[in-house]
Amino acid sequence: AQSVTQLGSHVSVSEGALVLLRCNYSSSVPPYLFWYVQYPNQGLQLLLKYTTGATLVKGINGFEAEFKKSETSFHLTKPSAHMSDAAEYFCAVSDRSDYKLSFGAGTTVTVRA
Amino acid sequence: DGGITQSPKYLFRKEGQNVTLSCEQNLNHDAMYWYRQDPGQGLRLIYYSQIVNDFQKGDIAEGYSVSREKKESFPLTVTSAQKNPTAFYLCASSQGLADTQYFGPGTRLTVL
Repeated sequence: AQSVTQLGSHVSVSEGALVLLRCNYSSSVPPYLFWYVQYPNQGLQLLLKYTTGATLVKGINGFEAEFKKSETSFHLTKPSAHMSDAAEYFCAVSDRSDYKLSFGAGTTVTVRA
Repeated sequence: DGGITQSPKYLFRKEGQNVTLSCEQNLNHDAMYWYRQDPGQGLRLIYYSQIVNDFQKGDIAEGYSVSREKKESFPLTVTSAQKNPTAFYLCASSQGLADTQYFGPGTRLTVL
């Protein structure tokens, strides 16, 4: 099974500042990569995904992520944080052989006014 | 609107009782999944089903059971054998196993 590491369980940013959430995976073969967002007591919403092709992926709400094979990373960024970005973010990877999703432990983002 | 519904949103049960969580989707997806979410642990796969009348154990299937008699429904039963059932349970579906999974709103189960 894939291993997914999200560095930092909590991230606090000022409104308007850069949001950077880190995700690393363990695999010698590039998997499918996903970022999901979860608001309190709700399900997960897909922000973006990488399967093949362009390594810089743009998602909803101004988020983007870059797949770096050499670093086995898929970090999520947003140039300017909004109060509405306060939520928990999960990185997930899917093995290309069995397609099961493995999730990171999540990073909670708080946005300071 | 197409989507995934889970009911109820909150569920309370006494220890030793079996409880069934509902998951329905009208997305015409073939694959469905159940995950358990605990604080600080991300999501863990309980069971998944690729097609009707077929399902497979995930990483933490002990103490749980499922059925898939209809394409749109994938109920999860939490049995009394589950040692620590209090958690947030999420259902998901996808067109096929290789496709993006979409999640329902979740059911928070509390066992008293």
